[in-house]
Amino acid sequence: AQTVTQSQPEMSVQEAETVTLSCTYDTSENNYYLFWYKQPPSRQMILVIRQEAYKQQNATENRFSVNFQKAAKSFSLKISDSQLGDTAMYFCAFMYSGLWHGANSKLTFGKGITLSVRP
Amino acid sequence: NAGVTQTPKFQVLKTGQSMTLQCAQDMNHNSMYWYRQDPGMGLRLIYYSASEGTTDKGEVPNGYNVSRLNKREFSLRLESAAPSQTSVYFCASSEQGTAFWPQHFGDGTRLSIL
Repeated sequence: AQTVTQSQPEMSVQEAETVTLSCTYDTSENNYYLFWYKQPPSRQMILVIRQEAYKQQNATENRFSVNFQKAAKSFSLKISDSQLGDTAMYFCAFMYSGLWHGANSKLTFGKGITLSVRP
Repeated sequence: NAGVTQTPKFQVLKTGQSMTLQCAQDMNHNSMYWYRQDPGMGLRLIYYSASEGTTDKGEVPNGYNVSRLNKREFSLRLESAAPSQTSVYFCASSEQGTAFWPQHFGDGTRLSIL
């Protein structure tokens, strides 16, 4: 079974600076997707960015980008120009791709990291 | 657009009581999911429904039952609540059950069992 590890429980960054959140995962599969979800104090789970494993190019969404290292099974999230509204828990998640895998076709989440943006 | 709607948002139960958490989506999605979130842990899948008429166990199904009432609605039932089921419960839906389709989450139900 796949596992997702977020070893940093919390981080803090000054407003307007850049921060990188780490994530590693373990799988024997070759085709999968990786995700970063944001959970602000409002509790809603918001998809920030996703990466298909077969794509070598790192995904980017405005101020958010990833550093995907498939061989190292690493998937970090970089937030540029941090804003106060980025304060939230961030979850890294994994899912097999392709056809329905039954019980394997589910999101597996890491434990999350609490990010605080200081004014 | 409402997206995924969960009711109630908060609930307190006594041990042994039963309760049904409701979830409805208006995006015409085929797949729906129930997760629980505990402190210091990420979300864990309880049950999922790949399509209308089907349900399957996830990672932590014990103590729960589900019903996919129709394409829109997917309910989670606690027959005899236990303090270990105190958690925040999230419902999610996606177009299809594969990774290509992102999951959309509701706002969660905070459930406390005394």
